[in-house]
Amino acid sequence: GAVVSQHPSWVICKSGTSVKIECRSLDFQATTMFWYRQFPKQSLMLMATSNEGSKATYEQGVEKDKFLINHASLTLSTLTVTSAHPEDSSFYICSAPLSGRPDNEQFFGPGTRLTVL
Amino acid sequence: AQTVTQSQPEMSVQEAETVTLSCTYDTSESNYYLFWYKQPPSRQMILVIRQEAYKQQNATENRFSVNFQKAAKSFSLKISDSQLGDTAMYFCAFINNAGNMLTFGGGTRLMVKP
Repeated sequence: GAVVSQHPSWVICKSGTSVKIECRSLDFQATTMFWYRQFPKQSLMLMATSNEGSKATYEQGVEKDKFLINHASLTLSTLTVTSAHPEDSSFYICSAPLSGRPDNEQFFGPGTRLTVL
Repeated sequence: AQTVTQSQPEMSVQEAETVTLSCTYDTSESNYYLFWYKQPPSRQMILVIRQEAYKQQNATENRFSVNFQKAAKSFSLKISDSQLGDTAMYFCAFINNAGNMLTFGGGTRLMVKP
């Protein structure tokens, strides 16, 4: 099956710093990728849709200036949490659909745990 | 907009027994896909089973099967011969035929007890 990687898997940073999380589709091209946020014992909440070659689409309530998304190529999307604060601590997951499939099955990265001190 | 509801926040089952997880959804679409994902303690999302709304036959994958009731907008997951490795969060998810954005339910935490 298709593989999606994320880097780093765990990051700890000081409040006020920026953190970049990478999402890569390893064996397929993804014109679209999705970024989710997951709090403990809760479901995945869609933050934004990353589009190769165009601006990301953010869900209501997600600050686009705080969560910068760049879809640099057909295999890479990055999420930058700017001026991180403790309330940004969460588990961030990306996914990418495999094009050409009628069910648009999405393949998920392993997630990135962000801890802001 | 579509919504997905999982009414059981937590469930437990004895090893080797059968358990059913509930999921209901709301949509005005006529064709769509439904999924069950498993998220073990590693937190990697794993696709368990999928169902296309146009197919009347319930999907089956080894010990996992679904009961898809389109009119009732219900999509339950049955796990037979439960194993300790089935302990995980289970998410029901919906995607319509036109889009590629998943809508997730709130999840059910399943504990398989030895």
